[in-house]
Amino acid sequence: AQSVTQLGSHVSVSEGALVLLRCNYSSSVPPYLFWYVQYPNQGLQLLLKYTTGATLVKGINGFEAEFKKSETSFHLTKPSAHMSDAAEYFCAVSDSTTDKLIFGTGTRLQVFP
Amino acid sequence: ETGVTQSPTHLIKTRGQQVTLRCSSQSGHNTVSWYQQALGQGPQFIFQYYREEENGRGNFPPRFSGLQFPNYSSELNVNALELDDSALYLCASSLGPDRVNTGELFFGEGSRLTVL
Repeated sequence: AQSVTQLGSHVSVSEGALVLLRCNYSSSVPPYLFWYVQYPNQGLQLLLKYTTGATLVKGINGFEAEFKKSETSFHLTKPSAHMSDAAEYFCAVSDSTTDKLIFGTGTRLQVFP
Repeated sequence: ETGVTQSPTHLIKTRGQQVTLRCSSQSGHNTVSWYQQALGQGPQFIFQYYREEENGRGNFPPRFSGLQFPNYSSELNVNALELDDSALYLCASSLGPDRVNTGELFFGEGSRLTVL
């Protein structure tokens, strides 16, 4: 069975500060890992994904995440927050045999001027 | 390239009624998945349709049912609505199991269902 835990349901940062959203996963098989963003009253948009290969993956809008197998983590970072980054962020896991995603409960990012 | 579209965007039903939600998949995608997102929660997998057949189901009762049509569009039907069915219902399309799995889903903007 697979699962995802997102630590911190709310994260607040100042504009220009580092963004760090935490995600830990559990999987008995090599995982595929994803970060999705959801803006108010909208669907989910893929930020980035890890399937195989390089463990540091870069996504859209300046976000990146690093797959750390030893820590079972896939934390999302951005060096400098922008007001437009305020949204809900979801970490998700699947495996190579399926595209059925297991989502975490989400982290709401607030960015203050 | 046309993205995933869902209808209606909002609707209100009363307990015990039935609802049908519709989804058009992204061009070139033959697989549609449905997710339920309750307020303040992450999306939960309901089921997936591939080539008009159900291809996996999450932990949802049989009153949640679906269809996929030859053009790969899909419907989600919920019978005997309960208050807890109030949620955002998201449709996502993908390339399907007959392609190399990239794991990527393309989501629509959702149908927000309120059950009174």
